[in-house]
Amino acid sequence: AQSVTQLDSQVPVFEEAPVELRCNYSSSVSVYLFWYVQYPNQGLQLLLKYLSGSTLVKGINGFEAEFNKSQTSFHLRKPSVHISDTAEYFCAVIRMDSSYKLIFGSGTRLLVRP
Amino acid sequence: DAGITQSPRYKITETGRQVTLMCHQTWSHSYMFWYRQDLGHGLRLIYYSAAADITDKGEVPDGYVVSRSKTENFPLTLESATRSQTSVYFCASSPSAGPTDTQYFGPGTRLTVL
Repeated sequence: AQSVTQLDSQVPVFEEAPVELRCNYSSSVSVYLFWYVQYPNQGLQLLLKYLSGSTLVKGINGFEAEFNKSQTSFHLRKPSVHISDTAEYFCAVIRMDSSYKLIFGSGTRLLVRP
Repeated sequence: DAGITQSPRYKITETGRQVTLMCHQTWSHSYMFWYRQDLGHGLRLIYYSAAADITDKGEVPDGYVVSRSKTENFPLTLESATRSQTSVYFCASSPSAGPTDTQYFGPGTRLTVL
């Protein structure tokens, strides 16, 4: 069975500091990888995704993520966060043999303090 | 309004009652999905639909019924609500099943079963 692990349930950080949100996955087949963001009282929005090619993926709002196949990780990073980045972040995968089925991690709450 | 909408946004009901959550999208996307979001579990797929009159079970379908008579609507019914169905429910839509097409999420319905 496949799974997605986000070890940090909450990450507090000061404004303008860098941040890394960790995501590890396990799967018996290759996967596509995604990061979604959920702002308070809103639905999820796609931040970025890795389908193939360069392992460093750039997304919206200055976020980027790096796919590391050997460590089965897809950590999300931002060099300088803003108050407005406070949100819940979800890592997700789609197995290459299942096309549509997103499997989500439990989420990491990023709390940016002034 | 364009996009994907859900109604109601908030609902309180009692155990044993029937509840229907509505989802409407204006993009004519073929695929639609229902997820539930619970603390510690991320989002889990309840049902999905590939087109009008085509639906299939996801990861946690028990206690739920769906229908899709029109492409733009995908209602989710709890036939006899239970306390364990207290959750936030998200509807999503996508042009196709492939990972290259983003799933777009609605704002969610917060359901409380007393």
